[in-house]
Amino acid sequence: QSVLTQPPSVSAAPGQKVTISCSGSSSNIGNNYVSWYQQLPGTAPKLLISEDHKRPSGIPDRFSGSRSGTSATLGITGLQTGDEADYYCATWDHSLSAGVFGGGTKLTVL
Amino acid sequence: QLQLQESGSGLVKPLQTLSLTCAVSGDSISSGGSSWSWIRQPPGEGLDWIGNIYQGGSTYYSPSLKSRVTISLDRSKNQFSLKLYSVTAADTAVYYCARWDTVKDAFDFWGQGTMVAVSS
Repeated sequence: QSVLTQPPSVSAAPGQKVTISCSGSSSNIGNNYVSWYQQLPGTAPKLLISEDHKRPSGIPDRFSGSRSGTSATLGITGLQTGDEADYYCATWDHSLSAGVFGGGTKLTVL
Repeated sequence: QLQLQESGSGLVKPLQTLSLTCAVSGDSISSGGSSWSWIRQPPGEGLDWIGNIYQGGSTYYSPSLKSRVTISLDRSKNQFSLKLYSVTAADTAVYYCARWDTVKDAFDFWGQGTMVAVSS
């Protein structure tokens, strides 16, 4: 049971838009930045979004992030088959004094 | 460009100690704004944070693993290490080392991961 809650799966057609939610509490998302990671099959996770909404160099602007209250959202527009991957949110939890991840969301591009 | 590379035993017997090392190149593990992390992923499951060590040596561990884990720095070799004691089959996973950027509040660089199986 993950501290952060994500939907197990989402799907959409190529070219469409999808959002992935990440729900937490005041001890984590409510008071800390959220980061998002993409994990392609058989590879290490890659940073997509830091500080809620900032994209590292090389990450296309099709990927966006936001945070409101105790939830965060990853948005992906112009879906491509290459976006099929598992996506994870992460943050720090002050009550646990620990890093926490969401359970992950599998994106299928139909 | 920062690079991280895990190494260590790929097979550990139950109740023994899992030991992994992460070699860091392209930056000093003593540089400001960084902490060094271990994260694992059991087969077919999600990411599980194990712990962090900061440049000053302070550590934070997952509450569920705290009694069995130690993360340490070796500044002379620019690497950091993980020891997980009294392992069971539930500790079978791909283990990743990563840098936690304390400004970005994110794991910005990751190793490729190393599979560790616990089996007799």
